[in-house]
Amino acid sequence: DIQMTQSPASLSASPEEIVTITCQASQDIGNWLAWYQQKPGKSPQLLIYSATSLADGIPSRFSGSRSGTQYSLKISRLQVEDTGIYYCLQRYSNPPTFGGGTKLELK
Amino acid sequence: QVQLKESGPGLVQPSQTLSLTCTVSGFSLTSYNVHWVRQPPGKGLEWMGRMRYNGDTSYNSALKSRLSISRDTSKNQVFLKMNSLQTDDTGTYYCTREDTRHYFDYWGQGVMVTVSS
Repeated sequence: DIQMTQSPASLSASPEEIVTITCQASQDIGNWLAWYQQKPGKSPQLLIYSATSLADGIPSRFSGSRSGTQYSLKISRLQVEDTGIYYCLQRYSNPPTFGGGTKLELK
Repeated sequence: QVQLKESGPGLVQPSQTLSLTCTVSGFSLTSYNVHWVRQPPGKGLEWMGRMRYNGDTSYNSALKSRLSISRDTSKNQVFLKMNSLQTDDTGTYYCTREDTRHYFDYWGQGVMVTVSS
């Protein structure tokens, strides 16, 4: 199975700051990566797919990038509503595997 | 609009069988794959298995011996059955649709399952 190592496990940032979350794949997965946001008590919401494409209705302050087997989610101009847990997901091969999650809190 | 909704018992006794139903609307089970994903309390997401649009199934190898996914297309329902439940099977169980780009775009609200005597 492909392992997705996500970092950091948690972070705290102030509104309007820029934050970056990364996922390291254990092997090449091409652009087969998505990012999800999960708020407390809610189901995950798709933010980014195919590593860099913004999902419908997602604010442009969210962006994704790739460098080799490392994938990044950047949130520019952090907003209060961005609080939650973020997960990456690889869809290169079965089984689909998620990163361990990054808990984002606002100061 | 696309909707998925999980239903099932909130409490299951250890060693018993869990049966969950995912009822979908707004799309056809013969056109889209539906997956099951679970989440232990306070922990991350784990893929469990998939019902393909053509009726084929695939399972997480760690659960394969205990897990079965089936469907009734006439009722727009996908079923999950998992036997020999233990306390570490406690968590929220989600069904989710795989979109044409092969990502999970719509999710159900989830159903919390507690394994306890």
